[in-house]
Parts: sequence; C-alpha cells; structure tokens
Amino acid sequence: AQSVTQPDIHITVSEGASLELRCNYSYGATPYLFWYVQSPGQGLQLLLKYFSGDTLVQGIKGFEAEFKRSQSSFNLRKPSVHWSDAAEYFCAVGARSGTYKYIFGTGTRLKVLA
Amino acid sequence: DTGVSQDPRHKITKRGQNVTFRCDPISEHNRLYWYRQTLGQGPEFLTYFQNEAQLEKSRLLSDRFSAERPKGSFSTLEIQRTEQGDSAMYLCASSRAPPVHTEAFFGQGTRLTVV
Repeated sequence: AQSVTQPDIHITVSEGASLELRCNYSYGATPYLFWYVQSPGQGLQLLLKYFSGDTLVQGIKGFEAEFKRSQSSFNLRKPSVHWSDAAEYFCAVGARSGTYKYIFGTGTRLKVLA
Repeated sequence: DTGVSQDPRHKITKRGQNVTFRCDPISEHNRLYWYRQTLGQGPEFLTYFQNEAQLEKSRLLSDRFSAERPKGSFSTLEIQRTEQGDSAMYLCASSRAPPVHTEAFFGQGTRLTVV
C-alpha cells in the first residue's frame, strides 16, 4: 500500500539550532516528493519539491531536502531554525500519472524555543 | 496570480443541516482537488476534477457528499445531513496537467464545525 511515514509527531529545537525532519514513503515507483508547511488554521504552503534531477533540492525559507532512493526517504533540513519556523510540516508523495493526487504523512509539529 | 481562494473560511452548522463550500482555483489550472484534514492528521484526498469532469472519488466521499465544477472554473463541495464526524478542514488545491505539470497549490481551507 502507498503510504508516507513521518516518525516524529513533535520536535522541539532551540532557535539557531539545526533541524532535520524525517520522511519515509512506500510507493510502487519513484513518486513526486513534496514538503508543505502549515501554520495554525491556515492552508498548506509549499516549501520544496522533487520532480527529477539533482537529489538535493533547495526550497524557500532556507530549507533543503535530500531524496535518497535506496532508503525511500526525503528528509527536510535547515541549518539554523528561526522562531517563525514553528508550524506543522507535512511530507507528501504524488503520482507521476493519472490523478497526480497526493498522499500525506501525519505531520511533524515543530516547536522553537527562544 | 491570486492563488486558490476558498469560501467561507469557517462554518459552524447544526447536525443534519446541509452546507456548501466554494473553491476558486488559479485561473490557468485545469485540475482541481478536494482534500479533508482532521485534527492531528495530514490531508486526505476526496476527489478531483480535470476541467469540468470529475474523474476520481475517494471511498471517503460518502453519498452525502457531492462536488461539482461547472464550466471547469470554480468548484463547490456540498455535504448533506451533516454529522459530527464531518467536522474537519476542507482544503481545495489546483494544478496544471501535463505537459506543463505543476505542483498543487492549496487554498486556506474551510473549517467546518458540526455541533
């Protein structure tokens, strides 16, 4: 079955510390890969995406993610977290044909300590 | 590009009432999606349209739910005889189909509370 696993439900980091959010997926073939961020009561904002090519992708707000095919992973990283990064982060996979619908993980809630 | 717009942002309704939500996608996007997000969960796919045709419906979309996209522009999602379990955030997204495929752009969502 197709699925996305975000093993960390909550993560707390201090402002200025580095961050890594984990994402593993189960899919028949290499899907499109995405990270979205959601602030309370808001919709989803795209941080970055992987369609093809370089497996290290850069996104907005200083985020990057690395696609590792052998590990079926697409972990999100940021070298120095800002207080404004506190939010919920969702990893998603998308079909490369058909509906192109997304399957989301359950999210990781990030708390940033001043 | 004004983004995906959803209306209303919040809706409180009594159990048993009907509700309708509207989504206006990005104008040049021919694909439109509805997702549902419950507390503590990621969004779950409900249905999608290419232009005016509804091409797939999730098993989550019971017969009390109906979605339309007349003329391939805006879309509406109606829930009849609402139940408390329908309380959730309803998200709309749009994208371009191939060959100029894009990622999905999401609206701000409509939060439904059934009391």
